[in-house]
Amino acid sequence: EVQLVQSGAEVKKPGESLKISCKGSGYSFTSYWIGWVRQMPGKGLEWMGIIYPGDSDTRYSPSFQGQVTISADKSISTAYLQWSSLKASDTAMYYCVRGISSGWYGGFDYWGQGTLVTVSS
Amino acid sequence: QSALTQPASVSGSPGQSITISCTGTSSDVGGYNYVSWYQQHPGKAPKLMIYEVSNRPSGVSNRFSGSKSGNTASLTISGLQAEDEADYYCSSYTSSSTYVVFGGGTKLTVL
Repeated sequence: EVQLVQSGAEVKKPGESLKISCKGSGYSFTSYWIGWVRQMPGKGLEWMGIIYPGDSDTRYSPSFQGQVTISADKSISTAYLQWSSLKASDTAMYYCVRGISSGWYGGFDYWGQGTLVTVSS
Repeated sequence: QSALTQPASVSGSPGQSITISCTGTSSDVGGYNYVSWYQQHPGKAPKLMIYEVSNRPSGVSNRFSGSKSGNTASLTISGLQAEDEADYYCSSYTSSSTYVVFGGGTKLTVL
């Protein structure tokens, strides 16, 4: 069974750093793109970026380029999303997603359960 | 403002059919067969319902179907059921540096 299991909720202060994780199982982790999607409270979905764990090829939405870093450790089938300096506006639910087999452009077939990040002083 | 335009809400009675539209441009919806649809129940992660315009993943009911005409994609749900009440989002690949864009979401109410 394919699963994406994310790390737990986080409460942080502005200016702090954070790294959240997404562990894939039940499939070949290095053969599928893994992306991240943000959902701010009461709002819609926003695509942040994506990585191919096989060779670490990474793409970012311009809205998030320079604001976050996406990485992956294929030895433990885990993808990461990290911030070096959080802002209150980073408060949101973050989902990791898997690109479909024919290429991530076509859709995201598995979603993690989400990691709620709250940034407040 | 989202890159793809969806109606904020649609409604229908059990057993009826409804269609949710998703309008983009020739740089996204109209230019590629890379439109996908997601269902999200409150407090839950989204679920893929349609990929590459009209393909259903294994396990998704055949009551859900997708299509595209020009710059507008559509999700049709036939034989509405109470469990279909949820938010629905469309998404498309885009030739812009954004790569992927989502619609603003449509709240489906089953009356």
